[in-house]
Amino acid sequence: DAGITQSPRYKITETGRQVTLMCHQTWSHSYMFWYRQDLGHGLRLIYYSAAADITDKGEVSDGYVVSRSKTENFPLTLESATRSQTSVYFCASSGRDSSYEQYFGPGTRLTVT
Amino acid sequence: GENVEQHPSTLSVQEGDSAVIKCTYSDSASNYFPWYKQELGKRPQLIIDIRSNVGEKKDQRIAVTLNKTAKHFSLHITETQPEDSAVYFCAASRKVVGNTPLVFGKGTRLSVIA
Repeated sequence: DAGITQSPRYKITETGRQVTLMCHQTWSHSYMFWYRQDLGHGLRLIYYSAAADITDKGEVSDGYVVSRSKTENFPLTLESATRSQTSVYFCASSGRDSSYEQYFGPGTRLTVT
Repeated sequence: GENVEQHPSTLSVQEGDSAVIKCTYSDSASNYFPWYKQELGKRPQLIIDIRSNVGEKKDQRIAVTLNKTAKHFSLHITETQPEDSAVYFCAASRKVVGNTPLVFGKGTRLSVIA
């Protein structure tokens, strides 16, 4: 678990501001994911990446941007934060091996005022 | 795309009793079905998974069953303990061929009453 980290752990921002959430993993996992967790909705996929420079939209990608220039990093940017983006954000990673297990980061609690 | 339904949304059991959580999925090509446990304020963690070439898998007090024909799978926890109290998520995806991300159910909050 210590191999995947997120920063910041807590963030308060104002409506309209740009904010970037960072995710870093030390396992050289090919796949990385961003989810948001809201009460009553479970874990919803925002974006995922199969490798460096390859990203794909998930279920709730509007208003978010990602990049993956290096295998170990997968930052998530909210271009113009809205109150509806108040949530807990989890980053996750998994390898290409047969275990398929997805490892989650500790999460970032984001509040948009 | 895949859709995963999970029931019940909340479940209370007495310590020592069994708990069962059920999930259904829509994509007949899904072949990987993990279960995650999330304690309050913590990250989700994998507790058990099953692949479509297997009907049942056990790990101590936890078991998962899969019915491919009916497209449903279940988590069974026996001899429940207070530390089993958490939110449990099921998920489904295609792996190996047509690798797709996990699609999660909305979760079940399990409370084990001592």
